[in-house]
Amino acid sequence: GENVEQHPSTLSVQEGDSAVIKCTYSDSASNYFPWYKQELGKGPQLIIDIRSNVGEKKDQRIAVTLNKTAKHFSLHITETQPEDSAVYFCAASIPNSGYALNFGKGTSLLVTP
Amino acid sequence: KAGVTQTPRYLIKTRGQQVTLSCSPISGHRSVSWYQQTPGQGLQFLFEYFSETQRNKGNFPGRFSGRQFSNSRSEMNVSTLELGDSALYLCASSPSNTGTGEKLFFGSGTQLSVL
Repeated sequence: GENVEQHPSTLSVQEGDSAVIKCTYSDSASNYFPWYKQELGKGPQLIIDIRSNVGEKKDQRIAVTLNKTAKHFSLHITETQPEDSAVYFCAASIPNSGYALNFGKGTSLLVTP
Repeated sequence: KAGVTQTPRYLIKTRGQQVTLSCSPISGHRSVSWYQQTPGQGLQFLFEYFSETQRNKGNFPGRFSGRQFSNSRSEMNVSTLELGDSALYLCASSPSNTGTGEKLFFGSGTQLSVL
């Protein structure tokens, strides 16, 4: 079954607004949660990550929050810009599997001017 | 530093053939992982190599195999191609340092089309 669920699958916001993408994971032993941005014709690019011993992390306009009890984590993008338009993927580490990750199905974000 | 390089960028094969994809990791990275990306299934883990050894394998049939060389470069092979193998195959390398090892740096992928 699906180990990482991601919502919404598409998101359209106006420039300057905030965007929030949410993910849930199933294995409580997962301890690493990265977010990737994928632009057309390119591979996913790591934009921010968080470990299970941290509840929140921020990097300029992007932030990630983690609720271990509820097994969900979220990506927040503030003051969105057209260049933020891309597909965003959340992921969770697969326990006892080296650096292997389970990915969500992705969110296509469109920021309109 | 140069990024992760994957060759070729595009491939067209027919059913039953086999294919080999190549990946050169970022200099100094010893871990190389492979993922399959399709519109329906998303990104799925294939396998991971570390210091020439397969460390982990995803839930794919034995037709999918790989290897890593002493210079950390990696190849993956798919034998007896099926139509469903059409996908973007992504390679990622990791710095393998404590605390940062899980950070995957992806290449642009090889787009495989099976006709």
